[in-house]
Amino acid sequence: SQQGEEDPQALSIQEGENATMNCSYKTSINNLQWYRQNSGRGLVHLILIRSNEREKHSGRLRVTLDTSKKSSSLLITASRAADTASYFCATGPTGRRALTFGSGTRLQVQP
Amino acid sequence: DGGITQSPKYLFRKEGQNVTLSCEQNLNHDAMYWYRQDPGQGLRLIYYSQIVNDFQKGDIAEGYSVSREKKESFPLTVTSAQKNPTAFYLCASSVDRVNTEAFFGQGTRLTVV
Repeated sequence: SQQGEEDPQALSIQEGENATMNCSYKTSINNLQWYRQNSGRGLVHLILIRSNEREKHSGRLRVTLDTSKKSSSLLITASRAADTASYFCATGPTGRRALTFGSGTRLQVQP
Repeated sequence: DGGITQSPKYLFRKEGQNVTLSCEQNLNHDAMYWYRQDPGQGLRLIYYSQIVNDFQKGDIAEGYSVSREKKESFPLTVTSAQKNPTAFYLCASSVDRVNTEAFFGQGTRLTVV
């Protein structure tokens, strides 16, 4: 079963624009993580936000978490063509021993 | 270099054949995982292991088997009972359960011929 669902499924923007992706989940969580996947490759961890945090920054990435709405957003500022990839949210539900991934957002950044 | 290695990168299976995908890590991580990814889809959990000689079924374990005889290794066997095995398989590891980041291998693409 998919715990997280990303929105939109696909996003196409121009270089320099900001990209926002959203993730909704169903059950209580310990933390929420965002990963990036280049085509045909493994996933790379981007950022982790704990359930008692509301916002976190890492370079050009900004993640927010609203546990009351069971949702998170990932903002990539000043996007670059190299940001083209699929982005997944993953949740660490309480009582569960493995991360559960959403279906991902495919981001295309046009040069 | 520390990391997680999957082999082979591409694997072809004939109907009715069992195949084994390799996953090795030198990160000294206790937890290891196997996920399946279908085209344009997210990751679905097949099996996970918290410690040596212990593993648990995930959401789609039917037709798969694993072993964890060594901390560094977590091979996945796709058996003939798995009727639709063509997919991209990803192995991952983490320090402990779900509160730390997962490190992923580069994946094995399995195709039935």
